[in-house]
Amino acid sequence: DAEITQSPRHKITETGRQVTLACHQTWNHNNMFWYRQDLGHGLRLIHYSYGVQDTNKGEVSDGYSVSRSNTEDLPLTLESAASSQTSVYFCASSESTLAFGTTNTGELFFGEGSRLTVL
Amino acid sequence: DAKTTQPTSMDCAEGRAANLPCNHSTISGNEYVYWYRQIHSQGPQYIIHGLKNNETNEMASLIITEDRKSSTLILPHATLRDTAVYYCIVRGRAQKLVFGQGTRLTINP
Repeated sequence: DAEITQSPRHKITETGRQVTLACHQTWNHNNMFWYRQDLGHGLRLIHYSYGVQDTNKGEVSDGYSVSRSNTEDLPLTLESAASSQTSVYFCASSESTLAFGTTNTGELFFGEGSRLTVL
Repeated sequence: DAKTTQPTSMDCAEGRAANLPCNHSTISGNEYVYWYRQIHSQGPQYIIHGLKNNETNEMASLIITEDRKSSTLILPHATLRDTAVYYCIVRGRAQKLVFGQGTRLTINP
């Protein structure tokens, strides 16, 4: 079955270290997204991509970067981890076109999340 | 994308219908209403979406007012497993979803 997977599921790192969270989907979706969720809050969009070589900043992109070299993967990199980046990170993907009235609901499929702790 | 307003929390008895309201008074003509839910610390799960007409699927029903300024998600026979945070999202042509704070729904036995 097609799926979306994140790794690692849990990571503890130190302030100033570079960290990369992996996201891999097997649906061949063009759209991929990274969100973070802090305790008691909703999800906030970090970066997103609508296809290979395309990346866009979300509402909380400072301190994060992404690259899209193929359809399946959108790794999220924290160049110099900070304690404020301690959070749960969710990756998601969706089909390229929202087409109402067809079987394409435009829904986002989410991974299980990666819990990052920066000490 | 238009903003949405939802109650912070709601309670519902098991077996009853759970009606979750959402206000989206600034919605524009080409924007859809989406509902997702997040159970505990899992990734959000799609429930249903609509543009103008009411919609129903195996999970829920979506009632959108005629002026499209508000909507209601209905879980017809709530179970304990429906306890979750429910997000109402207005989505335009952009493929990204912007989440608000959602409604924490607690189903009581």
